[in-house]
Amino acid sequence: EIVLTQSPGTLSLSPGERATLSCRASQSVSSSSLAWYQQKPGQAPRLLIYGASSRATGIPDRFSGSGSGTDFTLTISRLEPEDFAVYYCQQYGSSRGTFGQGTKVEIK
Amino acid sequence: EVQLVQSGAEVKKPGESLKISCKGSGYNFLNYWIAWVRQMPGKGLEWMGIIYPGDSDTRYSPSFQGQVTISADKSISTAYLQWDSLKASDTAMYYCARLTTMPIPTSLFYYYALDVWGQGTTVTVSS
Repeated sequence: EIVLTQSPGTLSLSPGERATLSCRASQSVSSSSLAWYQQKPGQAPRLLIYGASSRATGIPDRFSGSGSGTDFTLTISRLEPEDFAVYYCQQYGSSRGTFGQGTKVEIK
Repeated sequence: EVQLVQSGAEVKKPGESLKISCKGSGYNFLNYWIAWVRQMPGKGLEWMGIIYPGDSDTRYSPSFQGQVTISADKSISTAYLQWDSLKASDTAMYYCARLTTMPIPTSLFYYYALDVWGQGTTVTVSS
């Protein structure tokens, strides 16, 4: 089973700052099956990025994804108040999926 | 509107059985895998397994194999997650989500992502 490790666990930033979240896989992952989700308290997760770098419908362009192989990154160029949340990476392969443990982006 | 609507919150005792549901609408339910995802209190997301409602092909994550049963009734566009004997450690929020597959242009490959999520079903197991 592929293990995804996200870092840091918590990111303390101010609105307007840039956020860089990392997701590292225990073995190579197809970029086409690497996605990022945002989850706010009391809400279901929401798809942000699929295919490692493609924004889902309605996602602002301040969100971007990059990476390949075992190292992937989610970048939020300028944090808006509504962006403070928990972010998960996820991969799917061989009919199974796994999630990273999440990165919490909190207001500094 | 494409949506997944889950059944309501449940409070059960250890040893009891339970079946929760996830009803799809606004799209062809038969043609998309449905995933079940667990979130224990204050914790992250865990992939439990998936089912293809068209033929009920089901794949479990190793951690959940034998612990739960995933099924579907394509006639009513509904997927299910079932326990035969609940434990306190089953207390969690359970989400269903649609696994979408999008062809990658000029390629033989596909994108995979969970693009539509249910609202979640809270399961509390306590004596």
